[in-house]
Amino acid sequence: AQSVTQLDSHVSVSEGTPVLLRCNYSSSYSPSLFWYVQHPNKGLQLLLKYTSAATLVKGINGFEAEFKKSETSFHLTKPSAHMSDAAEYFCVVSDRGFKTIFGAGTRLFVKA
Amino acid sequence: DGGITQSPKYLFRKEGQNVTLSCEQNLNHDAMYWYRQDPGQGLRLIYYSQIVNDFQKGDIAEGYSVSREKKESFPLTVTSAQKNPTAFYLCASNTFANTGELFFGEGSRLTVL
Repeated sequence: AQSVTQLDSHVSVSEGTPVLLRCNYSSSYSPSLFWYVQHPNKGLQLLLKYTSAATLVKGINGFEAEFKKSETSFHLTKPSAHMSDAAEYFCVVSDRGFKTIFGAGTRLFVKA
Repeated sequence: DGGITQSPKYLFRKEGQNVTLSCEQNLNHDAMYWYRQDPGQGLRLIYYSQIVNDFQKGDIAEGYSVSREKKESFPLTVTSAQKNPTAFYLCASNTFANTGELFFGEGSRLTVL
């Protein structure tokens, strides 16, 4: 069975400081893992995805994530937060078919 | 540009009324999905369809109905049997050829008065 846990419901950072959003997963298969971002009253936009190629994945807007199989983690990072990064972020696991599991989301606040 | 179009963006209804949310995609994707989003609960799957004229219940299908008469279209009806319909509804699609990545519409916010 698959599951995904986002370890923080809210994260607050100052502009210009690093961002870390944590995600642990469980999967019986070799999973695909994704991070999506959602701004208020908008759909979800793909930030990055891991599909068993390089374990360090680079995405849009300076975000990246590292797949660590031994730790079953897929944490999202960014070296320097920008005000426009304030949004909700979802970690997602898929068995590459049509079964997709969403984390509960982490809301990122960025202080000026 | 290819994408997914949801309409209406905002919808108000009275209790006891059925409403239908539209979802159209021009990505030539095989599968389409409806999710419900409530604050602090992430996304929950209502229905999905992998092929025309076929669909399956998701985790919270009670009080909802769908149809898939065309590959491009997957409308969702929120019936009067849905006890708490006020929510943000998201339509998504993907294809057998990709890695599970979902493509989302902009969402429809339903408020029951």
